Formats: sequence, C-alpha cells, structure tokens
Amino acid sequence: DIQMTQSPPSLSASVGDRVTITCRASRSISSSLNWYRQKPGQAPELLIYAVSSLQSGVPSRFSGSESGTHFTLTISSLQPEDFATYYCQQSYSTPLTFGGGTKVESK
Amino acid sequence: VQVVESGGGLVQPGGSLRLSCAASGFTFSSYWMTWVRQAPGKGLEWVANIKQDGSEKYYVDSLKGRFTISRDNAKNTLYLQMNSLRVEDTAVYYCARRTSSTNCYGGHCYYYFYMDVWGRGTKVTVSS
Repeated sequence: DIQMTQSPPSLSASVGDRVTITCRASRSISSSLNWYRQKPGQAPELLIYAVSSLQSGVPSRFSGSESGTHFTLTISSLQPEDFATYYCQQSYSTPLTFGGGTKVESK
Repeated sequence: VQVVESGGGLVQPGGSLRLSCAASGFTFSSYWMTWVRQAPGKGLEWVANIKQDGSEKYYVDSLKGRFTISRDNAKNTLYLQMNSLRVEDTAVYYCARRTSSTNCYGGHCYYYFYMDVWGRGTKVTVSS
C-alpha cells in the first residue's frame, strides 16, 4: 500500500496569511495526487486534482505543486472559510489512501 | 449534480446494514463510484470502488469479505452491504463520484482520477 504522510498535523494562522501544507508519498504516484478540504461538520470537497489542476469553482488562492514524491498545497491568502482540515489523497493505485489531515486553525 | 446517502443508524455488533446512495443530475451509469468513511474524530478512509457496469469492484483489504459494494444503474443508486459489523466500523459513510481526466503529451496519455461529487454522509453506529 502507498502511505501518504501529511505535515504538519495542525497549524495556526490568521486571515491573509500564506499557508503551506505538505504531503509525501511512500513511492512514486506519477502525479496522481488530489487535495480536499473538509469544513467542520461537512463532507470533503475537492480542491485540486492531478497535483495542480484547480477544480471548477475553487478560488485561485489555492495551488498545488510537486517535487518527486513530495507534494505541496498552498493557500496564498487565507480566508475565513479556509479554517478547515485538508487531506491529500493518492489515486495511483488501490487501496486509495489519504494523508492523516492538516487542521488549519485560527491564531 | 448530487448524491444523497441513506440507511445509516444504530446496529449491534455482528449485525448488518445496507447503505444507499441516490445519484441525480448526472449520468450515473457513466461513472465509477466510491464509498469513503470517517470514524469519529479521525481522517478519511477509502472503503470501496465499483466500475460503471459493476463488473469490477475493489475494497480496502481490512473490509474484504464483510462489505459488498453494488449498484443499480436503472435506479441511479449505489449500495454498500455491511455484514458482521464491529464497533470499529462506527463512522460517517460518504458516497462519492469518481471522475477522470486525461493529459496527453509526448505521444503518451496519462489518466488521473479524483472524487469530485460527495454526499453529506450517513452515520453508522455499531454499539451494544
């Protein structure tokens, strides 16, 4: 199974801050990496697929990048609705696996 | 475009439950579908996938033999039959549509898969 390791598990930030979340795959996943945001009490929502493709309707403050088996989600200017938990997920092979999540909290 | 789960509830250990997911607003029979669950206070765990015509099914190893994914394209509905339930199966179960995209360059095509439509989930509690 491919293990996805996310960091940090949590972070504190303020509205307007630039936020970076990282995810590392245990082996090559050929850019098959997606990011989801889960607001408290809600279902996950797709933000980014295939490392850097923005899902329709998702604000451009969200971006993704990769370097080998390391992946990054960046929020350029944190907004109030972005206080949530973020998950990476590999879709390269089954079992599909998620990172442990990063909770973004208000400072 | 939406999916709506139902069928959750309280069940005793060893019991069974069948979850349903009603799809609308898109051609259900054209998409792979997925179940994902989330235990209280925990992260997301993929449960199972099923191909458009039901001919291929994949499960997380820990659930094989107890859970069965199926679909009825005539009813635009996805199912998850859960047997021999355990306390650790307590979770919110989400239904999601799996979509794919293709990038072709240099004479090669690459396929990417992601879950782009999620339901609100149905809660399953296994307790005596």
